[in-house]
Amino acid sequence: GIQVEQSPPDLILQEGANSTLRCNFSDSVNNLQWFHQNPWGQLINLFYIPSGTKQNGRLSATTVATERYSLLYISSSQTTDSGVYFCAATNQGGKLIFGQGTELSVKP
Amino acid sequence: DTGVSQDPRHKITKRGQNVTFRCDPISEHNRLYWYRQTLGQGPEFLTYFQNEAQLEKSRLLSDRFSAERPKGSFSTLEIQRTEQGDSAMYLCASSFSGSYNEQFFGPGTRLTVL
Repeated sequence: GIQVEQSPPDLILQEGANSTLRCNFSDSVNNLQWFHQNPWGQLINLFYIPSGTKQNGRLSATTVATERYSLLYISSSQTTDSGVYFCAATNQGGKLIFGQGTELSVKP
Repeated sequence: DTGVSQDPRHKITKRGQNVTFRCDPISEHNRLYWYRQTLGQGPEFLTYFQNEAQLEKSRLLSDRFSAERPKGSFSTLEIQRTEQGDSAMYLCASSFSGSYNEQFFGPGTRLTVL
């Protein structure tokens, strides 16, 4: 089945800095999602982006399906951006395969 | 707009007891998924339903685990004879089954087996 790898595993930023999180996947996908997991464990949907580019406020994402990667950009980071970011993908229209996550810490 | 809901949010049980969790999906969604997440890991797929039909089960789903979705709406996940290794966050998600298949997750049920 498809494999999903995220990098970096950990990231420490100063408030106001920009960051890029990467997600590589091993096969073509028909669903790719980015999530932010809050401190209580709930997965918050950030982007549904099997291909192309989307933006939502300070966050944007790009998936280059032909090269099998996706990027999540966070600009002007805030302390509330801290937490774990997951990329997940599927090529079977069903189960999502998750990466191991990137743990982001934004310092004031 | 009602999202995915799960009940209970927390469950503490003793080893060997049975537990049952409930998930109510977004009402228009015909697919419902169960995942399990342990500390420091990403969620792992357990099983999913399309309407009433259980379409796929992970090998993680041992014979102590059973899931149902009898009327194609809510689902239950039962764990029999719980073990300490079952301690985890159990997440439910729902989606449409067509080309637009974004999954939305509930708040999870955190299980602790003593």
